[in-house]
Amino acid sequence: EAGVAQSPRYKIIEKRQSVAFWCNPISGHATLYWYQQILGQGPKLLIQFQNNGVVDDSQLPKDRFSAERLKGVDSTLKIQPAKLEDSAVYLCASSPLSTGNTIYFGEGSWLTVV
Amino acid sequence: AQKITQTQPGMFVQEKEAVTLDCTYDTSDPSYGLFWYKQPSSGEMIFLIYQGSYDQQNATEGRYSLNFQKARKSANLVISASQLGDSAMYFCAMSRIKLVFGKGTKLTVNP
Repeated sequence: EAGVAQSPRYKIIEKRQSVAFWCNPISGHATLYWYQQILGQGPKLLIQFQNNGVVDDSQLPKDRFSAERLKGVDSTLKIQPAKLEDSAVYLCASSPLSTGNTIYFGEGSWLTVV
Repeated sequence: AQKITQTQPGMFVQEKEAVTLDCTYDTSDPSYGLFWYKQPSSGEMIFLIYQGSYDQQNATEGRYSLNFQKARKSANLVISASQLGDSAMYFCAMSRIKLVFGKGTKLTVNP
């Protein structure tokens, strides 16, 4: 069974530029998560989708971050314009349901904003 | 609201010894799940073990066991017979509507 796929693995951009990350969850998984993990901290949930609907986006900085999950499968997370404090690992995860099931993570997309 | 607390920023253990990583949680919901993940320096989050709030038995997965004390709201991870490859960050997490993580504990296994 293929795991959660993310790309790109690494990205370096200048502040005020834009960047997009892509995630393809495990086949059949209804729930998809985007987490931001700043170095030395635990992951922080940015947005959670159930199929193509948003379950929680309370910690998504909506003035610069956007995410979509068209057709309820893969998802894109965009940052525009990027700030220095956006430097982090962006982790995508998926699970069959929102609770009571193991949540599987991708390898992450490492972003450095200079 | 869901909250996870890991009070040990770092832990050291000798190879082949057992180690306990602490985790306490706070929720008013009767139904929830508790997870432990391992994150090596490569950055991937590796699922270790899961405990449901209604599970009567403590979860075990190979060398990993979860010491679940519901009344105390604690879900400590026990790693038996530590190996050098166990050196990593360990995160406790709780799932109700969403999966919330603690700040993590850095485990170092010494030879």
